[in-house]
Amino acid sequence: GIQVEQSPPDLILQEGANSTLRCNFSDSVNNLQWFHQNPWGQLINLFYIPSGTKQNGRLSATTVATERYSLLYISSSQTTDSGVYFCAVERTGAGNQFYFGTGTSLTVIP
Amino acid sequence: KAGVTQTPRYLIKTRGQQVTLSCSPISGHRSVSWYQQTPGQGLQFLFEYFSETQRNKGNFPGRFSGRQFSNSRSEMNVSTLELGDSALYLCASSSDEGYEQYFGPGTRLTVT
Repeated sequence: GIQVEQSPPDLILQEGANSTLRCNFSDSVNNLQWFHQNPWGQLINLFYIPSGTKQNGRLSATTVATERYSLLYISSSQTTDSGVYFCAVERTGAGNQFYFGTGTSLTVIP
Repeated sequence: KAGVTQTPRYLIKTRGQQVTLSCSPISGHRSVSWYQQTPGQGLQFLFEYFSETQRNKGNFPGRFSGRQFSNSRSEMNVSTLELGDSALYLCASSSDEGYEQYFGPGTRLTVT
């Protein structure tokens, strides 16, 4: 399979601070998505970003496929941003099979 | 459009029993994938169905099986439950183009 590493594993921020989450992967991919898992377990789609840069409000993401990494930026963090962030990739030619990273657990304190 | 739905949301079973979980994809999506999430192993791929055929399979024992119906709804079955099968089971659907995957709320299975 494909190895997906996320860093840092844990992050504690003061409300209003900015952060960068990183996802490294070991093979070429044709799909990369960032998810936020809410306290009830549902994975909320943040970005579909196999390459390039996207922004959605306070969140943005960049994937450099040739260097096999992706970054998720959270600006002006809020307590509601707390939770676990996952990066998931699909290896090129492997069909709809996600390989997930181990996640970054983010806690935003007021 | 309604999102991916999963039933039941919570389930408690005893070792040795079997269980069936259900997933209804987003309307028009024919691909349905299943994942298991545990604290120790994280999120792991179980299998994917497309147009009633299993297209991909992860590294799980044969006790884990699934099927897909003509309306794209999918079921997952686990026979002879073990304590280690306690997990959150998530299903996801995607369109034929296979770009973005959308996840359901999950079924939390507890085996006692």
